[in-house]
Amino acid sequence: EVQLLESGGGQVQPGGSLRLSCAASGFTFSNYAMSWVRQAPGKGLEWVSVISGSGSSTYYADSVKGRFTISRDNSKNTLYLQMNSLRAEDTAVYYCAKRDGFGTVFGVPKGMDVWGQGTTVSVSS
Amino acid sequence: DIQMTQSPSSLSASVGDRVTITCRTSQSTSSYLNWYQQKPGKAPKLLIYAASSLQSGVPSRFSGSGSGTDFTLTISSLEPEDFVIYYCQQNYSPPWTFGQGTKVEIK
Repeated sequence: EVQLLESGGGQVQPGGSLRLSCAASGFTFSNYAMSWVRQAPGKGLEWVSVISGSGSSTYYADSVKGRFTISRDNSKNTLYLQMNSLRAEDTAVYYCAKRDGFGTVFGVPKGMDVWGQGTTVSVSS
Repeated sequence: DIQMTQSPSSLSASVGDRVTITCRTSQSTSSYLNWYQQKPGKAPKLLIYAASSLQSGVPSRFSGSGSGTDFTLTISSLEPEDFVIYYCQQNYSPPWTFGQGTKVEIK
């Protein structure tokens, strides 16, 4: 069964750091681009970041650029999101998602077809 | 960055109705436009990819159309489980972006 399982969420003070993990199973992890998407309480979906299958290409939303780092360990079938300098507005449920198709970020007209259950990040003092 | 304008933000309809949701992008995204459904407390579910391709396992009452900057999601006959929130999303060029969402409510 294709599955994504996030972990690492929690409560942190403003300015603090967290690292989210997303464990993948049931598919060849390195063949797919992976993404993080978040949803603040009562709000819509916000795309956060994407990484290519090889890990060589990464892209970020302007709202997190310079503070968040996406990475992956294909030997462990795990995706990460290192979040630094956290702000109250980063409070959200964070989902990892598999982008169908090939591992490149560009040129693949496919959607995010597998999602994790989400992990909650709360930034407050 | 590509901006998304999704409309309406909400609509009221009845079981069996046909509804259409529109998504407009600030620049051409070719056919790199996807539609998702989100039920309360759940992760989004991919319905349509590449503007008009039905994701495997999704009922045929869902359909998508459009290219360039104007796209639509149509539900041909609403079922009770369809009264949830729908989002469009472009992945033509990072940063990928979502529309604001459309809540489909029971009339």
